[in-house]
Amino acid sequence: DAGITQSPRYKITETGRQVTLMCHQTWSHSYMFWYRQDLGHGLRLIYYSAAADITDKGEVPDGYVVSRSKTENFPLTLESATRSQTSVYFCASRAGPIGDTGELFFGEGSRLTVL
Amino acid sequence: AQRVTQPEKLLSVFKGAPVELKCNYSYSGSPELFWYVQYSRQRLQLLLRHISRESIKGFTADLNKGETSFHLKKPFAQEEDSAMYYCALSKGNTPLVFGKGTRLSVIA
Repeated sequence: DAGITQSPRYKITETGRQVTLMCHQTWSHSYMFWYRQDLGHGLRLIYYSAAADITDKGEVPDGYVVSRSKTENFPLTLESATRSQTSVYFCASRAGPIGDTGELFFGEGSRLTVL
Repeated sequence: AQRVTQPEKLLSVFKGAPVELKCNYSYSGSPELFWYVQYSRQRLQLLLRHISRESIKGFTADLNKGETSFHLKKPFAQEEDSAMYYCALSKGNTPLVFGKGTRLSVIA
């Protein structure tokens, strides 16, 4: 199906484990983003990418790693999960610069629990 | 730095009553402003953006540069408007900065 998909949708892991959240979009959008959603904090940007092999840190990048070897994929890795990384993670994509194409399209979210 | 403030975490209104979700921003320039909405069990989606000046689902938002505000309004709330609402700001190719969100609860 066309669109933006995230996997897994739900994940429970233990402190110290490595976890990778996958994000795949079929629109060939240039920009992709990872946000985390927490009560009291709203949506905070973790990392974003303007194109394949180009990534930049957002507001809360510590403890996360991203890569973008292909335009359509933007995985987010927690190298050593901590309880503070328990959150709902949203991937989003955008065709290009803000303006007529400025809408962000979001995935369904990945709920991660770190025990 | 860009910042978006939504002062209300929760707003409860009765069905048929007017709704105003507040959003204030700080940015030294002319920003692009948006409202995104997340209905229960649905994805975050764009509700409206100030450049298009359109009304979606009866909601409107006017950019007030003097007060640096972009409040979301609807004259008569419906139960299906219950959702989480996020105000967001961007300029050019910079990523969207979101407010902390306001949960709107419309009481029948």
